[in-house]
Amino acid sequence: DTAVSQTPKYLVTQMGNDKSIKCEQNLGHDTMYWYKQDSKKFLKIMFSYNNKELIINETVPNRFSPKSPDKAHLNLHINSLELGDSAVYFCASRGRLSYEQYFGPGTRLTVT
Amino acid sequence: QKEVEQDPGPLSVPEGAIVSLNCTYSNSAFQYFMWYRQYSRKGPELLMYTYSSGNKEDGRFTAQVDKSSKYISLFIRDSQPSDSATYLCAMSGGSEKLVFGKGTKLTVNP
Repeated sequence: DTAVSQTPKYLVTQMGNDKSIKCEQNLGHDTMYWYKQDSKKFLKIMFSYNNKELIINETVPNRFSPKSPDKAHLNLHINSLELGDSAVYFCASRGRLSYEQYFGPGTRLTVT
Repeated sequence: QKEVEQDPGPLSVPEGAIVSLNCTYSNSAFQYFMWYRQYSRKGPELLMYTYSSGNKEDGRFTAQVDKSSKYISLFIRDSQPSDSATYLCAMSGGSEKLVFGKGTKLTVNP
């Protein structure tokens, strides 16, 4: 069973479009994250949710909007996509009593 | 000064070599230290987790934390071609936020 899963795995779209990425974890964790990994492999946190509540909101354009329908799911919606949004987006989760984060396989977004 | 510094490499070693990977950091509040391994086109995979200073060993892997020097290391003994990946250090001060290094790309040649 996949612990942290993301869909889709690949996403190719044109500038100006709106797209969503979905994440689900079956680890029973309370906290979920979205990270962006750029072409130089630098992994940077974007958002964190704890029990459906937004905890971390780094300096991210407001075209990016996370939504957590329940504590097992965290989705990322991106409006008006730009070329610079091309990256790999990773979802991660963490249990309440631990600082270890577990990552999904990533969604490779390409904006043309 | 960046919060976490990690030499991106690339690092290329022969099979069987001992590999040393390192990170330095500036935030003295960091207490939780992790090493992640990321294979090409895959998500980061947690390899080692250490709290505060000291050593932790798991098979061929040893993680060391020296808080006085703000320096952490990962040693890989008897390195194998399957160890070829990018290794990311990560650390936290106890908040929700995990700060990553830029990763070191390692290639182990058969």
